[in-house]
Amino acid sequence: AQSVTQLDSHVSVSEGTPVLLRCNYSSSYSPSLFWYVQHPNKGLQLLLKYTSAATLVKGINGFEAEFKKSETSFHLTKPSAHMSDAAEYFCVVSSYGGATNKLIFGTGTLLAVQP
Amino acid sequence: DGGITQSPKYLFRKEGQNVTLSCEQNLNHDAMYWYRQDPGQGLRLIYYSQIVNDFQKGDIAEGYSVSREKKESFPLTVTSAQKNPTAFYLCATTIALSNQPQHFGDGTRLSIL
Repeated sequence: AQSVTQLDSHVSVSEGTPVLLRCNYSSSYSPSLFWYVQHPNKGLQLLLKYTSAATLVKGINGFEAEFKKSETSFHLTKPSAHMSDAAEYFCVVSSYGGATNKLIFGTGTLLAVQP
Repeated sequence: DGGITQSPKYLFRKEGQNVTLSCEQNLNHDAMYWYRQDPGQGLRLIYYSQIVNDFQKGDIAEGYSVSREKKESFPLTVTSAQKNPTAFYLCATTIALSNQPQHFGDGTRLSIL
């Protein structure tokens, strides 16, 4: 069975400082992993995806994530936070197999960016 | 522009009433999904469909029904049997039988009157 755990429900940073959103996963085989961002009352937008190619994945808006199999982690980082980064972030593992590619969602991390 | 359109954006349901949420896509994706989002719980899968005229229950299908008569459309009906329907509902699509990421609509917020 697959699962994903987001270690922080809320993270607050100052504008211009680094962002770290933590995610651990559990998977019985090589997973596909995603980070999505959601702004209030909006759908989810894909930030980046890992699908067994390079372990350091670059996404949109300056975000990146590193797949670490030994630590079963897929943490999301950004060197310098911007006010527009304030949103909720979801770490997601794909349960691909058989006839479907179901997604397993973490419970989300709400990122606040202080001026 | 290709995309997913969910309507209405806000919807109110009276006791004992069925309501239908619309999801239309022009991405030519085979697979479509309905999720329910509650605060602090992430997204939970209600129903999904890989091809026209076929759909499968997700993790929380009780009190919901769907149809897939056209590739472009996957409406969700919230029936009176769903006792706690207040939530944000999201529709998603993807290429079937792949590990490609899902694309999401902007959601419908359903509330009880």
